[in-house]
Amino acid sequence: DAKTTQPPSMDCAEGRAANLPCNHSTISGNEYVYWYRQIHSQGPQYIIHGLKNNETNEMASLIITEDRKSSTLILPHATLRDTAVYYCIAGGGAQKLVFGQGTRLTINP
Amino acid sequence: GAVVSQHPSWVICKSGTSVKIECRSLDFQATTMFWYRQFPKQSLMLMATSNEGSKATYEQGVEKDKFLINHASLTLSTLTVTSAHPEDSSFYICSAPSRPNNYGYTFGSGTRLTVV
Repeated sequence: DAKTTQPPSMDCAEGRAANLPCNHSTISGNEYVYWYRQIHSQGPQYIIHGLKNNETNEMASLIITEDRKSSTLILPHATLRDTAVYYCIAGGGAQKLVFGQGTRLTINP
Repeated sequence: GAVVSQHPSWVICKSGTSVKIECRSLDFQATTMFWYRQFPKQSLMLMATSNEGSKATYEQGVEKDKFLINHASLTLSTLTVTSAHPEDSSFYICSAPSRPNNYGYTFGSGTRLTVV
């Protein structure tokens, strides 16, 4: 599995867009980019994933660079409930997901 | 949507006893499940891959005789922590690939184990 690098922490104002970067420069051609988040003492929650095209769902948007070496998760209108640890993971194909340290996102009122 | 049910959500046990944690896929079949452990303020650490009908695959450094994994059916995997010690106190989480067409994964809600 490709290793990912994320900033350890970020802050964002409530109502603003939160942009969380992730570097996955060693990602292989068949590996997806997954984003999960974990709120304290709960299991990780799926947010979005993609292979090479940008993706959008009801929760977020995922922007993947053309060379696939990095991506950005966008929460368009952050709320206080979006405060969590966000994990970017490269992998997939029903193979094991290996978590990095993630980004602790704090949404401030 | 795909749901993974994990039970119990928390358990307290005495040192030397064994604890079983169950992970069930409620609306899909899972030939593979993954078990993670998470210590406070740390990330999830993969412990093992559970395979239906065959032996589990353990990550390096994980004692297979201490963390017994059984995947007896397509919807149930169990993790048994044998002869538990206080250092085994942790948050245990299971996961399963839940979207065969695009490889999403669903996680259980986790089990908080405290060994006293």
